[in-house]
Formats: sequence, C-alpha cells, structure tokens
Amino acid sequence: DAGITQSPRHKVTETGTPVTLRCHQTENHRYMYWYRQDPGHGLRLIHYSYGVKDTDKGEVSDGYSVSRSKTEDFLLTLESATSSQTSVYFCAISAEPYNEQFFGPGTRLTVL
Amino acid sequence: AQKITQTQPGMFVQEKEAVTLDCTYDTSDQSYGLFWYKQPSSGEMIFLIYQGSYDEQNATEGRYSLNFQKARKSANLVISASQLGDSAMYFCAIGTDNMLTFGGGTRLMVKP
Repeated sequence: DAGITQSPRHKVTETGTPVTLRCHQTENHRYMYWYRQDPGHGLRLIHYSYGVKDTDKGEVSDGYSVSRSKTEDFLLTLESATSSQTSVYFCAISAEPYNEQFFGPGTRLTVL
Repeated sequence: AQKITQTQPGMFVQEKEAVTLDCTYDTSDQSYGLFWYKQPSSGEMIFLIYQGSYDEQNATEGRYSLNFQKARKSANLVISASQLGDSAMYFCAIGTDNMLTFGGGTRLMVKP
C-alpha cells in the first residue's frame, strides 16, 4: 500500500471556525491532490500540488486554501468553515500527472 | 473541460458471472488516461486499471479488463467471474491537465 496518511480522520467543528486537514506521504511523489466526496457528486478536485510551493486550483476551490512546504506534506485549510463543507475529504498522490493516483483513507468533516 | 458519465447508478450481478460497468467521456485533449477505482463500504479508494489514450490494446489486470472504444469515447470496465467481495462503488475517471475528473459512480451488488 502507498504510504499516505490523513489527519484527523474525523472532525466535528462549528460554522465559522478554521480547520486544517493534513496529508502526509512517504512515497516522495511529486503530485498531491485534495478531493471532496459528496453523495451524488462522486469525487471533485479542490486543489492540487505539482511540487513544493507549487499549487493550483481544482473544480471546487472556493473557500479552501492549500500549502505545501515539504514534499511529504500537503495541507488543506478551511479559513471559516461552513455547513456546505461537510464532506469526506480524500488526499491522493501520484508520481506523474498521467499515472494512477493513490488515495489516503479519507477525513470525515462535519460542520455544525 | 473534461466530463465522465456513468449512466448506471446501481447494478446487480450473480456471483461468478461477468458484468460490464459503463463509462463514457468527453474531452478535447488528444492525450489522456482513463482510470477505474473501486470504493468498498469501508470507504477507501482502490485503483483497479488504467488505459492510455494511445494504447491500442485494451488494458487487463486479473479479473478486470477495460473495453476501450476511442471513437465512441467509451471506457467500460468488465469484471469477470464476479465475487461477493466485488460489491462496491465503482468510479471511472479521466486524467488530463495534471488532474482526474471522476464520474458519479456505479454501485455494484453481487448476489450469492
């Protein structure tokens, strides 16, 4: 199994609070991704990174920011959480953009 | 923009029979990859199979094969000899521009 961990695995927070999710990899892969999964929508890309300090927006980036200061860590921040951001968040990694992506176990976030 | 359509929200198959899960895609890119992922009830995303747009042979991985028809823009997943453990959500995805775009998924249920 690819070495990808996500923390926390579960989080309940209140509207308006900041939240940071962490993705950590031990594979030294260049590309890292954050997705959200909601019923009826499959997985949608939030942001991705193609190297340290190199990031770009995905399909549903509004309300989210990311940072990558080290190859192994990719952080997703919700500056002020809203109930519409209640979702399951997956991190993924890949060695090259057209290679298969390997996914972390997911983080279930509930915003009350 | 890329689009993936999975028209079968749910399917049943008898154990030991073969099943085909449909996937059609739309892209203006000439170079792309097609992926299938499995998501069991435990929630993890498992990579199954990959097909490159320039690959002339259909991809196979064990009991999984990808029926790639480029002119029709379809990339159907065929699972041979279904097993009870194949019961899961299945997602088709297209890879272009450093990212994957996922379809809404098909829930497969294998009957004993």
